[in-house]
Amino acid sequence: EAGVAQSPRYKIIEKRQSVAFWCNPISGHATLYWYQQILGQGPKLLIQFQNNGVVDDSQLPKDRFSAERLKGVDSTLKIQPAKLEDSAVYLCASSSIETQYFGPGTRLLVL
Amino acid sequence: QQPVQSPQAVILREGEDAVINCSSSKALYSVHWYRQKHGEAPVFLMILLKGGEQKGHDKISASFNEKKQQSSLYLTASQLSYSGTYFCGTGGSSGTYKYIFGTGTRLKVLA
Repeated sequence: EAGVAQSPRYKIIEKRQSVAFWCNPISGHATLYWYQQILGQGPKLLIQFQNNGVVDDSQLPKDRFSAERLKGVDSTLKIQPAKLEDSAVYLCASSSIETQYFGPGTRLLVL
Repeated sequence: QQPVQSPQAVILREGEDAVINCSSSKALYSVHWYRQKHGEAPVFLMILLKGGEQKGHDKISASFNEKKQQSSLYLTASQLSYSGTYFCGTGGSSGTYKYIFGTGTRLKVLA
């Protein structure tokens, strides 16, 4: 069974630029999560999708972050414009019932 | 509110046992445990649902006391491969699944 795929794996941008991350969940998984993990901390949930509907986006900074999940499969997370404090690893996870399976993450550095 | 884990860090010798605790201020429906190695994504270890059951595989087990809103992870006869950061993840009642990771416990096993 293929795992959760994410791209790119690494991204370096300057502040105020835009960036987008892509996630392809495990086939058949209805629930998709985006997390932000700052160095030394646990993952923080940004947004949770159930199929292509949003279940929880209470911790998503909506003035600069946006996410979509078209057709209930792939998802993209966008940051526009980026700030220095957005430097982190962005993890995508998917689940069918309870267990979450994580992708390798995208490491973002904002200069 | 983020679940609090204790201890924050622990160093063991191979073969020693360890207990990691996770405590929430909110009522819990389920508790998940993950291990994350440096530079890698979190890997699912086990899930415990309401009912106070204890689960385990190999030499890693966990318990869940929903009345106390606590869970404990037990590592028996630790191996070098157990090194990493352990996170508990907690969710509310099914259907309103606001998922939150705990503060993390760094575990180092020495030869």
